[in-house]
Amino acid sequence: DIQMTQSPASLSASLGETVSIECLASEDIYNNLAWYQQKPGKSPQLLIYYASSLQDGVPSRFSGSGSGTQYSLKINSLESEDAATYFCLQDSEYPWTFGGGTKLELK
Amino acid sequence: QVKLQQSGAELVKPGASVKLSCKTSGYTFSTSYMSWFKQIPGQSIEWIGMIYAGDGGTGYNQKFKGKATLTVDTSSSTAYMDLSSLTTEDSAVYFCARHYGGYPFDYWGQGVMVTVSS
Repeated sequence: DIQMTQSPASLSASLGETVSIECLASEDIYNNLAWYQQKPGKSPQLLIYYASSLQDGVPSRFSGSGSGTQYSLKINSLESEDAATYFCLQDSEYPWTFGGGTKLELK
Repeated sequence: QVKLQQSGAELVKPGASVKLSCKTSGYTFSTSYMSWFKQIPGQSIEWIGMIYAGDGGTGYNQKFKGKATLTVDTSSSTAYMDLSSLTTEDSAVYFCARHYGGYPFDYWGQGVMVTVSS
């Protein structure tokens, strides 16, 4: 199975700041990488697919980049509603696997 | 609009089975895939498997083979997941999510908590 190592596990940032979350795949996943946001008690929401494509309706302050085994999610100008846990997902090879998650707290 | 409505919370005894449902609306069910996921609260998400609603073809995460069985009823646009021989390790929130070939999961059910306890 492809292992997805996500970092950091948690981070704290202030409103208006910019943060980045990283995902490292155990092998090349050819940009087949998605990012999800999950708030407590809710289902995950798709933010980014195919490494850098913004899902319809997602604010443009979210962006994704990367290739090969290394990918990142960047959130510009943090807003209070961005407090959540973020997961990466590889859908390059079965079984599809998620990263361990990054809990983002707003100061 | 696209909706995936999951059945309510379940409390089941060890060794029992449970059937979860995911009723869909707002899109053409028979041309899509449905995947199921397990999430223990506070932890990451595991992909259990998927089913193509068009022909019922399935694919499973090896970890969940023998534990989960996926089916669909196209007449009611509903997907089902049977979980068998439940243990306390199966206590978790289970989600369904729609997807299409080459595109990740874009709409999710609200999740259902399954608690296995005697």
